[in-house]
Amino acid sequence: GIQVEQSPPDLILQEGANSTLRCNFSDSVNNLQWFHQNPWGQLINLFYIPSGTKQNGRLSATTVATERYSLLYISSSQTTDSGVYFCAVERDGSNYKLTFGKGTLLTVNP
Amino acid sequence: EAGVVQSPRYKIIEKKQPVAFWCNPISGHNTLYWYRQNLGQGPELLIRYENEEAVDDSQLPKDRFSAERLKGVDSTLKIQPAELGDSAVYLCASSLWGQTVEAFFGQGTRLTVV
Repeated sequence: GIQVEQSPPDLILQEGANSTLRCNFSDSVNNLQWFHQNPWGQLINLFYIPSGTKQNGRLSATTVATERYSLLYISSSQTTDSGVYFCAVERDGSNYKLTFGKGTLLTVNP
Repeated sequence: EAGVVQSPRYKIIEKKQPVAFWCNPISGHNTLYWYRQNLGQGPELLIRYENEEAVDDSQLPKDRFSAERLKGVDSTLKIQPAELGDSAVYLCASSLWGQTVEAFFGQGTRLTVV
């Protein structure tokens, strides 16, 4: 099956700092989503981004499908940004099955 | 618009007991998924429904797990009997059917088997 690798596994920031999270995948994909899992376990949709660049407030994401990676940028981080960030991909021909990476645990300190 | 609703949020049971989880997808979403998330890992697909048909259940441990989606809306996932290794978060998601889709997740049910 498709391999999804996220880096770094853990990241600690001071409030106000910027960060970049990376997702590498091993095969062509139809779909790529970024999620934030908050401390209560809820997976919040951040971006649906199989290719290109999108921005939503302090967050933006870029997927370069031909080079099989995606980046999530967080600017001016806040303590509420803490949690686990997951990248999930749907491989071509996998019939809508999302394969998740292991996530990046982000801690933003005040 | 209401999101994906799951219940219960938490469940603690003794091993060998049965347990069931319930999911109500986003209105109009005909695709429903059950995922399992072990501690420190990303979610993994157990089963996918298109309307009331299970179209991908290859990852569902069928000796003890079962699922149903009557009338193509709500779904239940059952474990009988539960084992210690079944302790995990069980997540339900839904999406519109199409060539490629964006999935939305519920809050999950955290199961602890003691």
